[in-house]
Amino acid sequence: NAGVTQTPKFRVLKTGQSMTLLCAQDMNHEYMYWYRQDPGMGLRLIHYSVGEGTTAKGEVPDGYNVSRLKKQNFLLGLESAAPSQTSVYFCASSYHGQGLGYTFGSGTRLTVV
Amino acid sequence: TQLLEQSPQFLSIQEGENLTVYCNSSSVFSSLQWYRQEPGEGPVLLVTVVTGGEVKKLKRLTFQFGDARKDSSLHITAAQPGDTGLYLCAGFNAGNNRKLIWGLGTSLAVNP
Repeated sequence: NAGVTQTPKFRVLKTGQSMTLLCAQDMNHEYMYWYRQDPGMGLRLIHYSVGEGTTAKGEVPDGYNVSRLKKQNFLLGLESAAPSQTSVYFCASSYHGQGLGYTFGSGTRLTVV
Repeated sequence: TQLLEQSPQFLSIQEGENLTVYCNSSSVFSSLQWYRQEPGEGPVLLVTVVTGGEVKKLKRLTFQFGDARKDSSLHITAAQPGDTGLYLCAGFNAGNNRKLIWGLGTSLAVNP
């Protein structure tokens, strides 16, 4: 099983550029999440989805947009990248929202210069 | 605001030693999860505890959920270099917000 797959693994953007991070899961999970991980800040939830066609804001949604057009895919977009968005981004999924555990992807390391 | 405090923040030990890391909160959680994260990878779920007082064992790792479901501990017996990594705890609140609250982690280095 592939689990949760994130692409790309690494990316460097210039300030103001846009990009989309891709997340795909093959476990038929309903819930999907986007996190960012920064030193001293831990994992912070950006956006999440409780099912196909739904999205909701997390703790730090500003500057990001998401879409969940298909159950297996969750896309994170940066419309105009800023240096403050330099971070490691993780996608995760769970079968339902009962707090029994998440499956994470291996992350995307994004640098905005 | 719910917070999860993990201690110690950093731990460096020799192979074969025992260790315990802690995850504490003033809030009650419906369940608590432990993850291990290796450099360049995402967190990997180790265990979920859901009942106050529950103890779960995973080979040399023993996880305990506090009776009041506000805290948890992870004990590693005879640590090995392969145990090196960042250990994260996360508490789930099944109440109104149904959010997962993350600790900042304990960074463990096991030296051969």
